[in-house]
Amino acid sequence: KAGVTQTPRYLIKTRGQQVTLSCSPISGHRSVSWYQQTPGQGLQFLFEYFSETQRNKGNFPGRFSGRQFSNSRSEMNVSTLELGDSALYLCASSLAVGQTPLHFGNGTRLTVT
Amino acid sequence: DQQVKQNSPSLSVQEGRISILNCDYTNSMFDYFLWYKKYPAEGPTFLISISSIKDKNEDGRFTVFLNKSAKHLSLHIVPSQPGDSAVYFCAAYTSNTGKLIFGQGTTLQVKP
Repeated sequence: KAGVTQTPRYLIKTRGQQVTLSCSPISGHRSVSWYQQTPGQGLQFLFEYFSETQRNKGNFPGRFSGRQFSNSRSEMNVSTLELGDSALYLCASSLAVGQTPLHFGNGTRLTVT
Repeated sequence: DQQVKQNSPSLSVQEGRISILNCDYTNSMFDYFLWYKKYPAEGPTFLISISSIKDKNEDGRFTVFLNKSAKHLSLHIVPSQPGDSAVYFCAAYTSNTGKLIFGQGTTLQVKP
């Protein structure tokens, strides 16, 4: 069974640009959530999607958004990139809402210059 | 306000001995507690979890203990192996929010 797949693995963008990251959950998993990992703030929750609906959102500005498709695949978008957005972005999937454990992909390393 | 804390940034243990990683939390509403292991440039790998209604869960060399009155949990690894060397994250989960709140991590080094 394939794990959580995130693409691309690495991205370099310039301040002010926008970026889209992709996540394919484990087959049969319908809940997808996103996390940001930085050295200073650690692992922080961005948002969670289930049945194409955002269920919860963390304390991030509106420049961070996401969506989920009918096949449970998810994308997150960051607009007007800032230097502080440089981070490892991790996607996690679980069977359903409120179900643990969450299984993580290997992340997308975003560098903003 | 950090709801989940791992107060030891690092731990060094001899191969074959027990590794004990600790975690404290402040919110009594968490439903589950999970431990993840992470290598650089990879995502966290799920190790073991415990429901808030239990006080112990065991899986092979890994055992998690939960002390609700002290709002404290610990992960025991016995015996420790060099391949266990990694960063270990404690995380707390609330079903109605669907989010994991992570501690800052503890770097475990197991020396041969």
